[in-house]
Amino acid sequence: EVQLLESGGGLVQPGGSLRLSCATSGFKFSDYVMNWVRQAPGKGLEWVSVISEDSSTRQYADSVKGRFTISRDDSRNTLYLQMNSLRAEDTAVYYCAKKVCATGPCGGLDYWGQGTPVTVSS
Amino acid sequence: QSALTQPASVSGSPGQSITISCTGSNSDVGGYDYVSWYQQHPGKAPKLMIFDVSNRPSEVSDRFSGSKSGNTASLTISGLQAEDEADYYCLSYTSRRTWVFGGGTKVTVL
Repeated sequence: EVQLLESGGGLVQPGGSLRLSCATSGFKFSDYVMNWVRQAPGKGLEWVSVISEDSSTRQYADSVKGRFTISRDDSRNTLYLQMNSLRAEDTAVYYCAKKVCATGPCGGLDYWGQGTPVTVSS
Repeated sequence: QSALTQPASVSGSPGQSITISCTGSNSDVGGYDYVSWYQQHPGKAPKLMIFDVSNRPSEVSDRFSGSKSGNTASLTISGLQAEDEADYYCLSYTSRRTWVFGGGTKVTVL
């Protein structure tokens, strides 16, 4: 059974930092592109970042570029999101999600974690 | 990086069919066949309903179907049921090698 479990969220002051983790199991983590998606309270989904299978390609939404860093540890089957210079508008539930296919181009996220809440407030 | 355009709400009676549109540009929806659709119930994680425009995961009901014409993708729900009441989001790959969601559509079963 595929499982994704986020952790590391919490309350942080503006300008602060947090590192989110997404522990995975039930699939060959090293074969899959992984993503972070967030959802502000009462708002829609916002794509945040993606990392390729070999970590050679990392992309970010304009809203987080230069402040967030995505990474992965295939030995631990874990995805990370380092968030620096946090702002009030970063307040959201953060989800990790797995790309639907292991090889070739495709579009879709078939497994999601339950989300970890991040609140940026003084 | 503007969100794709979806209607804020769509409604229908049980048994009817409804269609949700997702409009982008040549740089996203119109340029790639990497459009997917997600269903989200309150307080829950999103669920993949359609990927690559029209492909349906095996566990998703065949009442859900996807299509695309030009810069607009569509999700159709046939035989609408009470359990289909939820928020729906489209997601597309973009020419900047990033991804962008639609603003979301609230589906109400009357």
